[in-house]
Amino acid sequence: EAGVAQSPRYKIIEKRQSVAFWCNPISGHATLYWYQQILGQGPKLLIQFQNNGVVDDSQLPKDRFSAERLKGVDSTLKIQPAKLEDSAVYLCASSLNRGHETQYFGPGTRLLVL
Amino acid sequence: RKEVEQDPGPFNVPEGATVAFNCTYSNSASQSFFWYRQDCRKEPKLLMSVYSSGNEDGRFTAQLNRASQYISLLIRDSKLSDSATYLCVVTGGGGNKLTFGTGTQLKVEL
Repeated sequence: EAGVAQSPRYKIIEKRQSVAFWCNPISGHATLYWYQQILGQGPKLLIQFQNNGVVDDSQLPKDRFSAERLKGVDSTLKIQPAKLEDSAVYLCASSLNRGHETQYFGPGTRLLVL
Repeated sequence: RKEVEQDPGPFNVPEGATVAFNCTYSNSASQSFFWYRQDCRKEPKLLMSVYSSGNEDGRFTAQLNRASQYISLLIRDSKLSDSATYLCVVTGGGGNKLTFGTGTQLKVEL
């Protein structure tokens, strides 16, 4: 079974530029999560989707971050404009549903903002 | 106070040693508890769930003390391949939101 796919794997941009990350969850998984992991910290949930609806985006900096999952499968996370403190690994995860099932993580996108 | 607190380590132990990690959480309404493992520059992967009755998986034993809001992970007979960061994770409320600790780094040496 294919795992969670993410692209790109690495991205270097300058501050104030825009960037977008893509995630394809495990087939059949209704719930999709985006996490931000800053070096030396644990992952922090940014946004959670159930199919194409947002369940929790309380920790998403909405002035610069946006995310969508239009058809309830793939998802895109965008940062516009980027700041230095956005340098982190952006992890996508998926689970069968929003109950307490296991979340499976993708390899992440490593973002460096200069 | 952080929602989930762990000693960041690193814990440097010789191969074959027994090592224990502790974790405390602040939300008494937390419902589910896990240990995840994260290798360097890799994604987190579920190591084991933690139940009130305690659970064991081979060399790994996890325990939960709800009264003290405390979770532990014990690794017996450490292997070089156990070197990783161990993340304590709790969930609470609806939505399956995971709250991660900062992780404890383990280095197993020859």
